Amino acid sequence: AQSVAQPEDQVNVAEGNPLTVKCTYSVSGNPYLFWYVQYPNRGLQFLLKYITGDNLVKGSYGFEAEFNKSQTSFHLKKPSALVSDSALYFCAVSKDNNAGNMLTFGGGTRLMVKP
Amino acid sequence: DGGITQSPKYLFRKEGQNVTLSCEQNLNHDAMYWYRQDPGQGLRLIYYSQIVNDFQKGDIAEGYSVSREKKESFPLTVTSAQKNPTAFYLCASSIWGHGNTIYFGEGSWLTVV
Repeated sequence: AQSVAQPEDQVNVAEGNPLTVKCTYSVSGNPYLFWYVQYPNRGLQFLLKYITGDNLVKGSYGFEAEFNKSQTSFHLKKPSALVSDSALYFCAVSKDNNAGNMLTFGGGTRLMVKP
Repeated sequence: DGGITQSPKYLFRKEGQNVTLSCEQNLNHDAMYWYRQDPGQGLRLIYYSQIVNDFQKGDIAEGYSVSREKKESFPLTVTSAQKNPTAFYLCASSIWGHGNTIYFGEGSWLTVV
């Protein structure tokens, strides 16, 4: 069975400081990992994904994530936070069935960026 | 504009009623999905469809039904058998295949009154 853990319900950071939102996963075989962002009352927006290759993945809005196989982690990072980054962030892993790409989501982490 | 359109945005259901949430996509994606999101929680898969006229149950299919008569459309019916239907419902679509990105609509709020 696949699972994703986001150990922090909320992360608080000051504007201009670096931010990290943590994600760990459990999956048999090679993982496909995703990050999404959700603003209030909206759908999920895709930020980035790791499929294979370079462990550092760059995505939308200046976000990046680092895949660490030995620690089974895929933490989301940004060098300098903006107030507008305040939102709910979801990490997800693709199920390892043979045909599909259904995602198993973590519980979400609320990011609060204060001016 | 290409995208996924869900309607209505807000829907109220009386006890014992069935309601249907609409989802239409013009991305030419083969696969479509329905997820449920409860406040402060992650997403759970209700149903998914790989191709037209085919769909499969997800993790929480009880009390829900779907159809896939057209590639562009994947409506979700919340039946009276769903005992706790109040939630935010998200439709999504993708190219079918491991690792392909799933894209989401703007969601629909369903409230039981």
